[in-house]
Amino acid sequence: DIQMTQSPSSLSASVGGRVTITCQASHDIGKSLSWYQQKPGKAPKLLIYDESHLNTGAPSRFSASGSGTDFTFTISSLQPEDIATYYCQQYDDLPFTFGPGTRLEIK
Amino acid sequence: QVQLVESGGGVVQPGRSLSLSCAASGFTFTNHAMSWVRQAPGKGLEWVAVISYNGGNKYVADSVKGRFTISREKSRNTVFLEMNSLSPEDTAVYYCARGRTTTNFSPLDAWGQGTLVTVSS
Repeated sequence: DIQMTQSPSSLSASVGGRVTITCQASHDIGKSLSWYQQKPGKAPKLLIYDESHLNTGAPSRFSASGSGTDFTFTISSLQPEDIATYYCQQYDDLPFTFGPGTRLEIK
Repeated sequence: QVQLVESGGGVVQPGRSLSLSCAASGFTFTNHAMSWVRQAPGKGLEWVAVISYNGGNKYVADSVKGRFTISREKSRNTVFLEMNSLSPEDTAVYYCARGRTTTNFSPLDAWGQGTLVTVSS
């Protein structure tokens, strides 16, 4: 199975600040990586797919890059509504696996 | 608009069975693979199962292999998760999710609201 790790596990940032989360895969997954946002008590929402493609309706302040085993997710200007837990997921090989999540808080 | 509505969750005793349903609307059901993803209380997301757009290919996670079965019925635009031999470790919110494309190997671009399964005596 492909193992996904994320760092940090939690972080606190200021409104308007830049936020970066990293995700690492145990094997090369090419660009088959997505990022999800989950707010408390809600279902996850797809933000980014195929490593860097912004999903329809997702704000442009969200972006991502990387390939192979190392990936980065960025929020360019943090907004209060971005408070959530963020997960990466690989869909290159079965079983599909999620990272453990990064909890984002406002400083 | 795209809508996925799960049902069938509840409290069940260990060793018993439960069947979940996910009714899809607002899109062409047969153009998308469908998955189930679960989340134990206070924990992260765990992929459970996927079924291809036409039902021809199905895969389940090792943690549920031999106990859970995924299926779909195109006439009802519904995907199912049959769960047998349930254990307390299966306690979670179960989400139905749509694959972005017909292939199983695609991100999940629409999610239901989830249905809670509690396995307890």
